[in-house]
Amino acid sequence: GAVVSQHPSWVICKSGTSVKIECRSLDFQATTMFWYRQFPKQSLMLMATSNEGSKATYEQGVEKDKFLINHASLTLSTLTVTSAHPEDSSFYICSARGQRSYNEQFFGPGTRLTVL
Amino acid sequence: AQSVTQLGSHVSVSEGALVLLRCNYSSSVPPYLFWYVQYPNQGLQLLLKYTSAATLVKGINGFEAEFKKSETSFHLTKPSAHMSDAAEYFCAVSGNEKLTFGTGTRLTIIP
Repeated sequence: GAVVSQHPSWVICKSGTSVKIECRSLDFQATTMFWYRQFPKQSLMLMATSNEGSKATYEQGVEKDKFLINHASLTLSTLTVTSAHPEDSSFYICSARGQRSYNEQFFGPGTRLTVL
Repeated sequence: AQSVTQLGSHVSVSEGALVLLRCNYSSSVPPYLFWYVQYPNQGLQLLLKYTSAATLVKGINGFEAEFKKSETSFHLTKPSAHMSDAAEYFCAVSGNEKLTFGTGTRLTIIP
């Protein structure tokens, strides 16, 4: 149980285009989803927290207009990188938490974004 | 406020030797503590978690960790390293809804 999927697993796009990444909880209802960014050989940096049906809460320094997060249902959250530039290239990982999980988050497999 | 310090960004051990990865935490509330493993280009897999029950926590793949409040530590151990243990390991603390990760420790296994 507690499986989280991400799609796509990797994506290459041209500078200036927008890219959407999906995060789904497959076998549980995720009241809260989190989006992280990971640079090579570094730790995970929390970008934002989203609760179903509410606006996402962004961490300091994360541009909300650039990284659009939607959490439309208890099983789906999306991250859209708008007008992507090469510096947005990174590994993006989502996680999801159910109602009774002792603050445990279940992580997706990640999405590798490369912006040319 | 919460934080995690992982001592040693790189640890190398021989196959069959003891694995010890160090983690110290800081939290203003009673913490939940986690160890995750990450293989290249993959997400995080939970190894084990401390949720205020037993202080010695057993996880998957033979790993275990002991919560020591007096030392604010949650070190990860495995009695005998396998080649498949080579990966990046992250300690994390949660006192509120957010997880705060350490900087990670890359474990290398020497044949």
